[in-house]
Amino acid sequence: KQEVTQIPAALSVPEGENLVLNCSFTDSAIYNLQWFRQDPGKGLTSLLLIQSSQREQTSGRLNASLDKSSGRSTLYIAASQPGDSATYLCAVKETSGSRLTFGEGTQLTVNP
Amino acid sequence: DAGITQSPRYKITETGRQVTLMCHQTWSHSYMFWYRQDLGHGLRLIYYSAAADITDKGEVPDGYVVSRSKTENFPLTLESATRSQTSVYFCASSLRDGTYEQYFGPGTRLTVT
Repeated sequence: KQEVTQIPAALSVPEGENLVLNCSFTDSAIYNLQWFRQDPGKGLTSLLLIQSSQREQTSGRLNASLDKSSGRSTLYIAASQPGDSATYLCAVKETSGSRLTFGEGTQLTVNP
Repeated sequence: DAGITQSPRYKITETGRQVTLMCHQTWSHSYMFWYRQDLGHGLRLIYYSAAADITDKGEVPDGYVVSRSKTENFPLTLESATRSQTSVYFCASSLRDGTYEQYFGPGTRLTVT
């Protein structure tokens, strides 16, 4: 059974700092990996989708990498801003079936 | 409005009552999904649908019923609500399976008393 782990569970940084969020998964037979952002009381917003054949994806200040063989992904946020404060979730889609398996998220606070 | 919407946004119901959560998407996505989000468990898939009239169980389907008579709608029914079904429910859709992103609705917070 696929398990997705995100460490740390919570992170607090000062504004302007570059930071890395980690995601690990136990079964490397994945189709893709998706990073989401969730604001309190809101739904999930898709940030980046990395296909299993890709090593990284970039969108603005966000860069996500994928190392399928080691079962790891990282989300790099450059020059963090208070508006980046949210919970960040990663989810993997396995090669069989349609479900996403989610980690429990990293709650990020960026202090002004 | 374009996108994926859920209704109601908040619902309080009593144990044993039937309640239906609605999900509507305007993108004509083939796939639709229902997840629940609970502390300590993250998001878990309840049911999904690959197309109209095609549905399949996810990780935690017990106590739930779904239907999909139209591509754009995917209602989730709790036939006899229990306290353990108190949760935040998210609907999602995807253009197709495989390489495509899933897009999520705003969620329904359900409390069963």
